[in-house]
Amino acid sequence: QQPVQSPQAVILREGEDAVINCSSSKALYSVHWYRQKHGEAPIFLMILLKGGEQKGHDKISASFNEKKQQSSLYLTASQLSYSGTYFCGTVINNNDMRFGAGTRLTVKP
Amino acid sequence: GAGVSQSPSNKVTEKGKDVELRCDPISGHTALYWYRQSLGQGLEFLIYFQGNSAPDKSGLPSDRFSAERTGGSVSTLTIQRTQQEDSAVYLCASSFSSGSYNSPLHFGNGTRLTVT
Repeated sequence: QQPVQSPQAVILREGEDAVINCSSSKALYSVHWYRQKHGEAPIFLMILLKGGEQKGHDKISASFNEKKQQSSLYLTASQLSYSGTYFCGTVINNNDMRFGAGTRLTVKP
Repeated sequence: GAGVSQSPSNKVTEKGKDVELRCDPISGHTALYWYRQSLGQGLEFLIYFQGNSAPDKSGLPSDRFSAERTGGSVSTLTIQRTQQEDSAVYLCASSFSSGSYNSPLHFGNGTRLTVT
């Protein structure tokens, strides 16, 4: 039931863009995205519900294709503060949340 | 406090001993989750509570692991006869809604367990 994330790691220069993908083998109620910095707890970024919606948070946005059971997180004009590990969380049965293995993003000056 | 509180923040124990990890969720949050994160790894689902009941215990690694929640609030994760492979950060999260699909999870800072 665990979603699959790709890539495992990304290294960017400040100002560059990145895309992180998340896919599931099961039908999804929703997809969550979280960011975790080293030694800290994960923090919530956004939730995407069924309906193919897109959401944005500053220069971070995401899409959710429920038919393909996939979500993508888009980071544009990346900043140093974007560094961290990004996790997608998928909700299959309206109850528990399963997370992908994470994508480690490093933004360099 | 306003956030999810976990205690202790660090626990060092000898192999074979039992440990109890505590989670105090945000007031009013009905859903509570336990995850395990080994060094540099992802978030491994352990168990989920809705109120005091646990609809999904499938993530508990073995029968040495158990969890309970009382009063729809505080939860305790107990690991019996600890093994070195149990060493990890144990994260607790809570959410407001009865269904997690539309409600963000709020994480505590975790308990770092080291089994020597």
